[in-house]
Amino acid sequence: DTEVTQTPKHLVMGMTNKKSLKCEQHMGHRAMYWYKQKAKKPPELMFVYSYEKLSINESVPSRFSPECPNSSLLNLHLHALQPEDSALYLCASSQDGQGRGNTIYFGEGSWLTVV
Amino acid sequence: GESVGLHLPTLSVQEGDNSIINCAYSNSASDYFIWYKQESGKGPQFIIDIRSNMDKRQGQRVTVLLNKTVKHLSLQIAATQPGDSAVYFCAENPWDQGGKLIFGQGTELSVKP
Repeated sequence: DTEVTQTPKHLVMGMTNKKSLKCEQHMGHRAMYWYKQKAKKPPELMFVYSYEKLSINESVPSRFSPECPNSSLLNLHLHALQPEDSALYLCASSQDGQGRGNTIYFGEGSWLTVV
Repeated sequence: GESVGLHLPTLSVQEGDNSIINCAYSNSASDYFIWYKQESGKGPQFIIDIRSNMDKRQGQRVTVLLNKTVKHLSLQIAATQPGDSAVYFCAENPWDQGGKLIFGQGTELSVKP
């Protein structure tokens, strides 16, 4: 079982709604990630936090806003999403703050449907 | 652009047979590789990893082989079981791209009882 916990498991939201996805890990990891995965495709990196600071933003639209309140928590705030943003959103973490050469562990994901 | 690719998108094997899933990579800066298993409706699950200073690494029923000369990675599953049915992704971690994992396209493994 993964030690990266994501909530909610399923979320349906309208295009004018504001919602948040949450992620928590208690492995003492210093790097945390958000990935987006469409059906039958590999995960695509969105953001990387290293030592609680945003280190990588893969040109993600501003309607996705990440937040890292502390080293164990990672949020993804959602606002004014489009139906094409419907996907599985995966949180992950790794021990090394730079995320290099360390195993990256994934949560079970949050299934997002935008209507 | 640089990418990690898989030779076969689907693989069907008989229960008890050995499975081999292949992966090609092109980023010479990659020095760490991971295989993930993703079952339907779940997140990717770590299976095994290997660093570029190794050619082979074994786990429980799984073996990863790395050929840096031809930039090729493979995952071997011994005595494949129905529970092994899933999509398998290889991923590379280039040393010069921080925490970025580059995933291959995935291979769907189907195990026939």
